[in-house]
Amino acid sequence: GAVVSQHPSRVICKSGTSVKIECRSLDFQATTMFWYRQFPKQSLMLMATSNEGSKATYEQGVEKDKFLINHASLTLSTLTVTSAHPEDSSFYICSARDPGGSNQPQHFGDGTRLSIL
Amino acid sequence: DAKTTQPPSMDCAEGRAANLPCNHSTISGNEYVYWYRQIHSQGPQYIIHGLKNNETNEMASLIITEDRKSSTLILPHATLRDTAVYYCSGGSNYKLTFGKGTLLTVNP
Repeated sequence: GAVVSQHPSRVICKSGTSVKIECRSLDFQATTMFWYRQFPKQSLMLMATSNEGSKATYEQGVEKDKFLINHASLTLSTLTVTSAHPEDSSFYICSARDPGGSNQPQHFGDGTRLSIL
Repeated sequence: DAKTTQPPSMDCAEGRAANLPCNHSTISGNEYVYWYRQIHSQGPQYIIHGLKNNETNEMASLIITEDRKSSTLILPHATLRDTAVYYCSGGSNYKLTFGKGTLLTVNP
């Protein structure tokens, strides 16, 4: 089945640091990838839709200058949390749309736990 | 995207069938119903999806009511490893909306 790999799995860094998270589709090409954020004991919230070769589409309330998304190839999307602060600490998860046809499921990475000190 | 409603928690005995309900009364005619589960500190795992007809795969069965306003995910023989939060989502693979899900606890 389709596999999505996310790296790193965990990041701990100081306030003010920028952190880059990678999302790769390992055995298929993904023109569309999605970035979610999940706070403890809460559900996944879609942050943005990443489109290969074009600008990402951000959900309402998500700062595009804070969360930079780049989808430069058909197998890689990156999320950069710029000047991270403790309130940005969360579980960040990416997914990629299965290219097998319309309405095929999204496949998720294992997530990145970001802790800002 | 359809809004979904699920019970916050359910218990099931190991080896028994687990039936997880989901209401999605606002689902539109071309939106599929997707089920995922999330084990603590991992990404969601796809389980099954369907539009109108009941579906079955190696993991589970999906029963969708005729009016498509609700569905039930069935794990035929639950194991301890099936303990997870189960999410149903009405939408398309272009955009999924996750509710709070159901925490299924499988007890020995």
